[in-house]
Amino acid sequence: QVQLQQWGAGLLKPSETLSLTCGVYGGSFSAYYWSWIRQPPGRGLEWIGEINHSGSTNYNPSLKSRITISVDTSKNQFSLKLSSVTAADTAVYYCAGYTTKYWGQGTLVTVSS
Amino acid sequence: DIVMTQTPLSSPVTLGQSASISCRSSQSLVHSDGNTYLSWLQQRPGQPPRLLIYKISNRFSGVPDRFSGSGAGTDFTLKISRVEAEDVGVYYCVQATQFLSFGGGTKVEIK
Repeated sequence: QVQLQQWGAGLLKPSETLSLTCGVYGGSFSAYYWSWIRQPPGRGLEWIGEINHSGSTNYNPSLKSRITISVDTSKNQFSLKLSSVTAADTAVYYCAGYTTKYWGQGTLVTVSS
Repeated sequence: DIVMTQTPLSSPVTLGQSASISCRSSQSLVHSDGNTYLSWLQQRPGQPPRLLIYKISNRFSGVPDRFSGSGAGTDFTLKISRVEAEDVGVYYCVQATQFLSFGGGTKVEIK
């Protein structure tokens, strides 16, 4: 059974950098791409980007200039950094893997001055 | 980019009856490896999404057989038979043939 556990700061000021990490427990970390997905309050799901165990990334073009996704294979973890946040980045952020078979619990990130 | 379009936006259904949700992609979801990476997710209020169906019609572990998926190419359907109260939530289609993209969601509620 694969479990994803995510953590990171939940309250940011405008222009700060969002930072989240997701740990993968069980399963094969090297077999799949690992994704970040977000959901603004009351709205649908938006793919942010993904990474595999070798560090190969794919990003949503609409966010690409502000995103960095990295991986630490020694800890079976992957991380998201989103720079220069604004109120529009307020959302629940999820990590997911195995092409959406497994999801983290979600982290509400609020951007407010 | 592959755009996913879901209908209807909302589906009021009587307990014990069936609900059907459609999903259309802007281009074929057949991958070069021959698979079609179209999945369906359920999201109950306040919870993360949960995988129901993957590769069009395969039920994920623990998913009741009341949930079934069908379709091919660009047109796909999720059917919920004998709707129960616990099925209330928002349902999303998602394609993983080319990165990930999600449909806008369909809210299933009890009449």
